[in-house]
Amino acid sequence: NAGVTQTPKFRVLKTGQSMTLLCAQDMNHEYMYWYRQDPGMGLRLIHYSVGEGTTAKGEVPDGYNVSRLKKQNFLLGLESAAPSQTSVYFCASTSSWFEQFFGPGTRLTVL
Amino acid sequence: AQSVSQHNHHVILSEAASLELGCNYSYGGTVNLFWYVQYPGQHLQLLLKYFSGDPLVKGIKGFEAEFIKSKFSFNLRKPSVQWSDTAEYFCAVISLNNNDMRFGAGTRLTVKP
Repeated sequence: NAGVTQTPKFRVLKTGQSMTLLCAQDMNHEYMYWYRQDPGMGLRLIHYSVGEGTTAKGEVPDGYNVSRLKKQNFLLGLESAAPSQTSVYFCASTSSWFEQFFGPGTRLTVL
Repeated sequence: AQSVSQHNHHVILSEAASLELGCNYSYGGTVNLFWYVQYPGQHLQLLLKYFSGDPLVKGIKGFEAEFIKSKFSFNLRKPSVQWSDTAEYFCAVISLNNNDMRFGAGTRLTVKP
């Protein structure tokens, strides 16, 4: 039982490049979330999903896209990376009581 | 959408001191409330949660929090902190209307041995 896993753990991109972050959970949770964590700003919700095939915008969705084709996976895409997207990205999945289980994070640097 | 305010950015205490971290939220609907802790270099872990019932909830490691609905507050407390409590603490609120989850900016706690 791995819980929530994220790949990759680290990534460096150049401005304008694209990439996809993968989040996988093996707890059969319906809800999954993507956050970014920046110093002094806590965690800010980017997008979330309440079930396979559904997604919704969070607090800071611009510049990101997501897909939930399979229940266990939630992908976060950056089509054209910008330095402002340098951050640590956390994925979480939620039990029926909304207790969130977090992945280990992906540290992304955009040059 | 809801928002969460944490009043203290950085709190410095000596071991055995009492702790209270403030959290206020703004949202008119039904919410669940959480406190998470992030130890250096680690991801967030749940400390405690409030869903309904007794407004005083107890969590792990001796932490507790009180939900005061009239004040939209969910303050975290611990009677006697330890050096190992040094971490960042986040208050969070989820709307039961749309499952939108919001976190506060966090409070960094430093406990001096």
